[in-house]
Amino acid sequence: KAGVTQTPRYLIKTRGQQVTLSCSPISGHRSVSWYQQTPGQGLQFLFEYFSETQRNKGNFPGRFSGRQFSNSRSEMNVSTLELGDSALYLCASSLIAGDRKEQYFGPGTRLTVT
Amino acid sequence: LAKTTQPISMDSYEGQEVNITCSHNNIATNDYITWYQQFPSQGPRFIIQGYKTKVTNEVASLFIPADRKSSTLSLPRVSLSDTAVYYCLVGDKGFNKFYFGSGTKLNVKP
Repeated sequence: KAGVTQTPRYLIKTRGQQVTLSCSPISGHRSVSWYQQTPGQGLQFLFEYFSETQRNKGNFPGRFSGRQFSNSRSEMNVSTLELGDSALYLCASSLIAGDRKEQYFGPGTRLTVT
Repeated sequence: LAKTTQPISMDSYEGQEVNITCSHNNIATNDYITWYQQFPSQGPRFIIQGYKTKVTNEVASLFIPADRKSSTLSLPRVSLSDTAVYYCLVGDKGFNKFYFGSGTKLNVKP
């Protein structure tokens, strides 16, 4: 069974722009979570979607938003990019909402903001 | 919300047992403890999860004392391929609220 895929793998944007990242979960998984990983802050939870509904949200500003489609694919959007948004953005999918045990991560999208 | 604290890095040699401790003084009654492993350029991978006492699986053991204010991940007989960053995660059963530690970089030497 194919794993979690994320596109694009690498992205370079300039301050003020917006960006959309995509995540395709493992087939059959209905929960998709997004994380930001930086050297200084480590792994931080952004939000989780289950059956097209946001069920959980971390402490990030409103510039960070997401959505999930009926096929469970998810997108994350960051508007008005700041230098501090440079990070590895990880997506994870699970069969059950809130399941941190059977949660499978994708390879991530490396975003660089200049 | 339980905040976790881990050592920034640890060194070990092949064949040794490695114990990584995570402190979570404010752990709540409903919180579970989960450990992940992450290699460079990859997403984290689940290792083990527990609530109290001891849990063991094919790759690791997790020791949780009675007060649950800390937990120890034990990796038996590490090899070079165990060189990675190990994260401790504490959250309620539904993980509606959870917190990742800053991670411990384990360096296994030959």
